[in-house]
This record gives sequence, structure tokens and C-alpha cells, in this order.
Amino acid sequence: DVKVTQSSRYLVKRTGEKVFLECVQDMDHENMFWYRQDPGLGLRLIYFSYDVKMKEKGDIPEGYSVSREKKERFSLILESASTNQTSMYLCASSGYGIGAGELFFGEGSRLTVL
Amino acid sequence: TQLLEQSPQFLSIQEGENLTVYCNSSSVFSSLQWYRQEPGEGPVLLVTVVTGGEVKKLKRLTFQFGDARKDSSLHITAAQPGDTGLYLCAGEGAAGNKLTFGGGTRVLVKP
Repeated sequence: DVKVTQSSRYLVKRTGEKVFLECVQDMDHENMFWYRQDPGLGLRLIYFSYDVKMKEKGDIPEGYSVSREKKERFSLILESASTNQTSMYLCASSGYGIGAGELFFGEGSRLTVL
Repeated sequence: TQLLEQSPQFLSIQEGENLTVYCNSSSVFSSLQWYRQEPGEGPVLLVTVVTGGEVKKLKRLTFQFGDARKDSSLHITAAQPGDTGLYLCAGEGAAGNKLTFGGGTRVLVKP
């Protein structure tokens, strides 16, 4: 079974704290993505990576950064969490060209910032 | 940024009824995907449509891609409680560099 694993299902943080969300895939996929999901807004792309140490901004990168030191791992970092970053965060991977083919998603990390 | 609008946002029906979900845009997409997401899980791909006018069937689910590749629909025949979930459409732009997701349609099928 192919698998994308997100490190934390639920997190509660305070405003200003640094937050790390980690994602690991076991499919040897080149492409990895971080989305945030909010009711009525669907999934919005934060950052994506098509290779180790490579990253590209998505549609809403402000307030976020990412790290991809190994092919299987893609981390999302909130340097100073704010309440408007309370959301569900979904990691995904794909083995095709960026945007093409099937995205495999993790179960999500629900972040609450107080 | 290409936008995809889904309608309706929420649909509640009785088991056995039919339903249709729409996904519309003013932009052309090279392909369009439909995902279903169940509570506590990530979205899972149902189908990809690529050719304008294409129709694909997956058991009781029928997917159609508009002739101009700007819109798509998902029709469920004789819905069952197991069809309950959030349905998301996602379009791949002409540049092929990323997917744009619609806002989702939450479907509740009551027994």
C-alpha cells in the first residue's frame, strides 16, 4: 500500500510559536506538495517541490517556508504562527510531472493557533 | 490564477436518489480530476478526464468533461450512504505545472 504519513494529526499552538509539520512518503515520488484546506475554499497550494532541495511557491506561500533535504521527506514550517493559519494542512506526493497524474494525500494535520 | 467553482456546496439526499455535482471555470484545463474525501482522511482520486466531451463511468458514478474543457460534472445514480463525503474537482492548467482545486461539494446520503 502506498503511503503518505503526516507527523501530527492534531496540534494546538500559541501565536508566535514556530511550527513544524512533517510529511514522509514511501513511493519514491519526485513531487511533493503542501496544501491547506478551509471550508468552502477547497485546497490551496502553499508550496511544492519537484526534487530534493528544490521548492516552488504555490498560491499562498506567505507566512510559510518548506524544507526538502531528502526525497521522501517534505516539511512545512510556520516561523511565527498566527491565528489565521488555523487550518487543516494536507501533504501530497505524485510521481508524474508536476500537477499531472494522481496525487496521493496524507490524512492531514489539523492546526489550531490560539 | 485559474478558478474552479463547484456547485452546490452542500447536498443532502435520501438513499436511492440521484445527484449531480458541477465544476465550472472560465479557463481551459488540459485535464480534470475528481477526488472524494471522507472525514479524517485525505482526498482519494476517483477519475481523471482528459479529452473534451469525454465520459467515464465508475460503477454508479458518471463523470463528464465539457467539450471546451472548461467544465465537468459528476452524476451519482441511486446514491448510497457510502457515497457520503466531500467531492473535489481539480484542474490541471495548460502549463501542466500544478492542480487548481474547486471549493468542494459536501454530499450526505441518508439511509
